[in-house]
Amino acid sequence: GQQVMQIPQYQHVQEGEDFTTYCNSSTTLSNIQWYKQRPGGHPVFLIQLVKSGEVKKQKRLTFQFGEAKKNSSLHITATQTTDVGTYFCAANAGNMLTFGGGTRLMVKP
Amino acid sequence: DGGITQSPKYLFRKEGQNVTLSCEQNLNHDAMYWYRQDPGQGLRLIYYSQIVNDFQKGDIAEGYSVSREKKESFPLTVTSAQKNPTAFYLCASSIGGDLSSPLHFGNGTRLTVT
Repeated sequence: GQQVMQIPQYQHVQEGEDFTTYCNSSTTLSNIQWYKQRPGGHPVFLIQLVKSGEVKKQKRLTFQFGEAKKNSSLHITATQTTDVGTYFCAANAGNMLTFGGGTRLMVKP
Repeated sequence: DGGITQSPKYLFRKEGQNVTLSCEQNLNHDAMYWYRQDPGQGLRLIYYSQIVNDFQKGDIAEGYSVSREKKESFPLTVTSAQKNPTAFYLCASSIGGDLSSPLHFGNGTRLTVT
C-alpha cells in the first residue's frame, strides 16, 4: 500500500524559533491535507493542497506542495506556545487517504 | 451546532468481550470513517462508509465490524478477535467520500482492555 513518511517525529523548539515538518510519499498524490491535533484532542483540518508547487499561507503557517506532487511541508514562523501539538499530513493517491506518523511539536516558553 | 459525537469518552472492558463504540453526526455528511490511533503514532483506517448500507475495509479491519443503517450513525464493534484492542478510536465524517473533502473528527473514545 501507499507509504507516507513524515519527519521529524518530534521537535522541541524555543518559543520564537521556526519549525518545519516534512511529508514524503512513494507515489504521486492527487492532493494532500494537513491536520493539527492538540494534546488530548482530536485532529482538526488545517488545509488542503491540490496543485503542483502550490504554496498556501495561514498567518504564521506556510504549506507547500512539491512540484512532483510527492512531498509537502508545513513551516511555522516564530512559534508560540499555542502551536503545541502533533501535525499530520494525509496523502491521497486516488484510492485511500493515508496519514503520516505525525510530528509532535513542543514549544518551550 | 453541527458535529460528531462519540461516546463514551473512556471505555474499559475485559479481554474476550465485544464492545461497541458509538459515532453520530448531524453534519449531513455522506461519508464516515473509523480510525485507530496508538500512542505516538499516526491514524490507521479501520473501516469507512461512503453511503448508507455500504462500507469498505480499511488497512486494519481484522477484528472489527461496522454497520451503516442510518446516514447519521456509524457504530464500530471491537470483537474479541482483535488482538490488541487498547487504543484511541476516532470517528470522522466528510461531505463526500471522494478523498478530497476534509475530515471532521469526533472527540474520540479511549478503549482499555485488560
